[in-house]
Amino acid sequence: GENVEQHPSTLSVQEGDSAVIKCTYSDSASNYFPWYKQELGKGPQLIIDIRSNVGEKKDQRIAVTLNKTAKHFSLHITETQPEDSAVYFCAASDTGTASKLTFGTGTRLQVTL
Amino acid sequence: EPEVTQTPSHQVTQMGQEVILRCVPISNHLYFYWYRQILGQKVEFLVSFYNNEISEKSEIFDDQFSVERPDGSNFTLKIRSTKLEDSAMYFCASSVTVPGNTIYFGEGSWLTVV
Repeated sequence: GENVEQHPSTLSVQEGDSAVIKCTYSDSASNYFPWYKQELGKGPQLIIDIRSNVGEKKDQRIAVTLNKTAKHFSLHITETQPEDSAVYFCAASDTGTASKLTFGTGTRLQVTL
Repeated sequence: EPEVTQTPSHQVTQMGQEVILRCVPISNHLYFYWYRQILGQKVEFLVSFYNNEISEKSEIFDDQFSVERPDGSNFTLKIRSTKLEDSAMYFCASSVTVPGNTIYFGEGSWLTVV
């Protein structure tokens, strides 16, 4: 089955700096890669996703890149703000054969003033 | 904005008891899911449900667990004979239709087994 690795486990940046979180996946059949933000005591909230027919996607301060050959994808947050502080999870899915998401282990992002 | 709602938000139960966690998926969604998250760990897939039957389940989802859509709006997870290791946050999720559509998560039901 799919295995998703995520790094780093914790990340501290100063307000205004950029943050990058990286994930690798094992199943070459995976073709859908969402990123979720989870605040304390709440459910995962989708912030951006990318499909395998696209190499990059951007939404305001958030961007995701995908390298299918290397089987890795990354989340980039620019101009970080204190409200970006949360746990971020990457996930992968093979939408052709499976309905489930396989999550990474999470990255705790701390944006300091 | 439509959202997935879950009840209860927190439940404490004694070991060996049965619990039912309830979910109301987003109204036009047809795929439903349960995931769980043990404290400090990653979110893990339990089961997906479509067209009134289980579509896929993980190895975690053994005979202790069952799901049901008792009416047109609710989706439930039943855990029989709860064990200490069942303590976790349980998330219900839904997506519009076939796999590959965005999956939206509820706020979770925190289950504590004592």
